[in-house]
Amino acid sequence: KQEVTQIPAALSVPEGENLVLNCSFTDSAIYNLQWFRQDPGKGLTSLLLIQSSQREQTSGRLNASLDKSSGRSTLYIAASQPGDSATYLCAVIDGNEKLTFGTGTRLTIIP
Amino acid sequence: EAGVVQSPRYKIIEKKQPVAFWCNPISGHNTLYWYLQNLGQGPELLIRYENEEAVDDSQLPKDRFSAERLKGVDSTLKIQPAELGDSAVYLCASSLVGRDEQYFGPGTRLTVT
Repeated sequence: KQEVTQIPAALSVPEGENLVLNCSFTDSAIYNLQWFRQDPGKGLTSLLLIQSSQREQTSGRLNASLDKSSGRSTLYIAASQPGDSATYLCAVIDGNEKLTFGTGTRLTIIP
Repeated sequence: EAGVVQSPRYKIIEKKQPVAFWCNPISGHNTLYWYLQNLGQGPELLIRYENEEAVDDSQLPKDRFSAERLKGVDSTLKIQPAELGDSAVYLCASSLVGRDEQYFGPGTRLTVT
């Protein structure tokens, strides 16, 4: 059974700093990996999708990397802003097209 | 382009009462998902549809939960009877096809008293 872990559960950083969020998964036979953000009381917003054949994806200040062999992905946020405060979730899709989520990292950017 | 629409946004019911949630996916998306999210946890899949067919309902508690996706577009998730432990956020998502990027609705927050 696929297990997805995100550490730390919570992170606070001063505004303007660069930061990295981590995601690890136990079964490397994944089809793709997706990063989401979730604001309090809201649904999930898709940030980046990395296909299993890719190593990274970039969107604006966000860069996500994927290392299938080690079962890890990172989400890099450059020049953090207070608006980046949210919970960030990673999820992997396996060969059965099932999406398994991590428990998320709650990010707070301190002005 | 409109996103995934869900209603109601909030629902408070007493235990043993029935409740239903509705989802309208992004136009043209063949795959529809229902997830359950408990506080502080990631979403967990309840059921996945490919058009009208439920292709993965292994995590759906079938004694009290049911779902349908008539005509392969809108979907309804029902709980009857509701229990206290069903209090959670119910999320609907859609994608063009399975394995593709998923887009989520705002969710329905259910409180069972």
